[in-house]
Amino acid sequence: GAVVSQHPSRVICKSGTSVKIECRSLDFQATTMFWYRQFPKKSLMLMATSNEGSKATYEQGVEKDKFLINHASLTLSTLTVTSAHPEDSSFYICSASRPTIQETQYFGPGTRLLVL
Amino acid sequence: DQQVKQNSPSLSVQEGRISILNCDYTNSMFDYFLWYKKYPAEGPTFLISISSIKDKNEDGRFTVFLNKSAKHLSLHIVPSQPGDSAVYFCAATSNVADKLIFGTGTRLQVFP
Repeated sequence: GAVVSQHPSRVICKSGTSVKIECRSLDFQATTMFWYRQFPKKSLMLMATSNEGSKATYEQGVEKDKFLINHASLTLSTLTVTSAHPEDSSFYICSASRPTIQETQYFGPGTRLLVL
Repeated sequence: DQQVKQNSPSLSVQEGRISILNCDYTNSMFDYFLWYKKYPAEGPTFLISISSIKDKNEDGRFTVFLNKSAKHLSLHIVPSQPGDSAVYFCAATSNVADKLIFGTGTRLQVFP
C-alpha cells in the first residue's frame, strides 16, 4: 500500500530556532499534500493544503510566515516552523492524496515537536 | 505497510438506511480507536471513539463496534442522512505512543 513518511519523527529545539519537517510519498506522486496539527484529545486542525509547484493554501488563523510550506516535487513537501515558541509544541501530521483518487488520503506517522 | 486499512474507498446508501463503514488493523498493540469525519476543504473532525476494553460505543445515530479477535472495527450510522455524506477515516493509537495511525478513508454518499 501507499506509504507516506515524515522526518524527523521527533524533534526538540530551543525557542527562537527554526525546524523543518519533511513529508514524503514513497511510492506514488502526490499532487496535493496536507498539513495538520494534532491537539489534545486527538483533534486535528488542517493547517494548509500544499499543491506541487504552487503556493500553499493556508487555513484561516494559520500564519503563513511562521509555518512555511514548500511542495517542491511530487513526492516531497516540507513544513518549516520558523522562530519556534513553546506554544508551537505539538504533533504535526501530513497526508498525501493521489492524483486520481483525490479523496483517499495517506497519512504520515507524524512528527512530535517540542520547543523548550 | 498500512497498519490501519479501510478497504472500501466509497459507499453509497439511501437516506434512512444504515451505513456501515469498516476498518481493519494489524497491530495488536492498538488499544484506542477513533473515527473522524471530513468534509471537502476541511480537516477531519473527531466523531466517536472506543477503547479496547469495550466492544461497543454509542453516541446518538453513531455506533462503533470493536472486534479485537478479528482486529476489526466498524462505524454504524442509523438512520443515514444526506448531511452524513463525507469521507470517514478510522484511526488507531496505543498508550505507549500518542501518534495516530490513520486509514485511507471511505467516502460515504447518502442519497435521498
